[in-house]
Amino acid sequence: DAGITQSPRHKVTETGTPVTLRCHQTENHRYMYWYRQDPGHGLRLIHYSYGVKDTDKGEVSDGYSVSRSKTEDFLLTLESATSSQTSVYFCAISPADSSSYEQYFGPGTRLTVT
Amino acid sequence: AQSVAQPEDQVNVAEGNPLTVKCTYSVSGNPYLFWYVQYPNRGLQFLLKYITGDNLVKGSYGFEAEFNKSQTSFHLKKPSALVSDSALYFCAVRDMWDGTASKLTFGTGTRLQVTL
Repeated sequence: DAGITQSPRHKVTETGTPVTLRCHQTENHRYMYWYRQDPGHGLRLIHYSYGVKDTDKGEVSDGYSVSRSKTEDFLLTLESATSSQTSVYFCAISPADSSSYEQYFGPGTRLTVT
Repeated sequence: AQSVAQPEDQVNVAEGNPLTVKCTYSVSGNPYLFWYVQYPNRGLQFLLKYITGDNLVKGSYGFEAEFNKSQTSFHLKKPSALVSDSALYFCAVRDMWDGTASKLTFGTGTRLQVTL
């Protein structure tokens, strides 16, 4: 999985609790992304980062925040988890240079909110 | 806004037969197009991309895809399917003139089932 790790790989949490998911890369790629995968929706972009401390919202950002204090780490926080945030979360990275716009994905985190 | 449609939720094919997984796209400019495969409990793996040039693009595991600008399509193909090709396939698009961080828009996925 292209030098990308995600932790934890599985998590069960209760409604209303904060949750932080971590993505770590060893590729030194500039761009990092958080997606959620749900049946019938494919992958939807939550937030992305184009450098240290530079982040922006994706299409489903409500209820989520992110931080990137180092090139290699991108954190996704669910401020107060809800059952609708039960999903599989994927981190992706990309050099996004002129020859390589594809993204490479981590193994995913399965989050269940009860 | 860019979008991708994968009109088939599932494609069934017998091993040894050719397979096609369909994808159509919509962008305001010129498209960059991608195919990914996802095996159970794994992340997405990059298969191939079209950026510019030859309309027939070859990728990993014997897959290829044909870019058709007039039909706004980028169908994934393989001449002879294997049982091990059974997986979930995603098409994705990026607008060439999207100046932001290479955001991709993904289709909803097509499950490919190859049987003996």
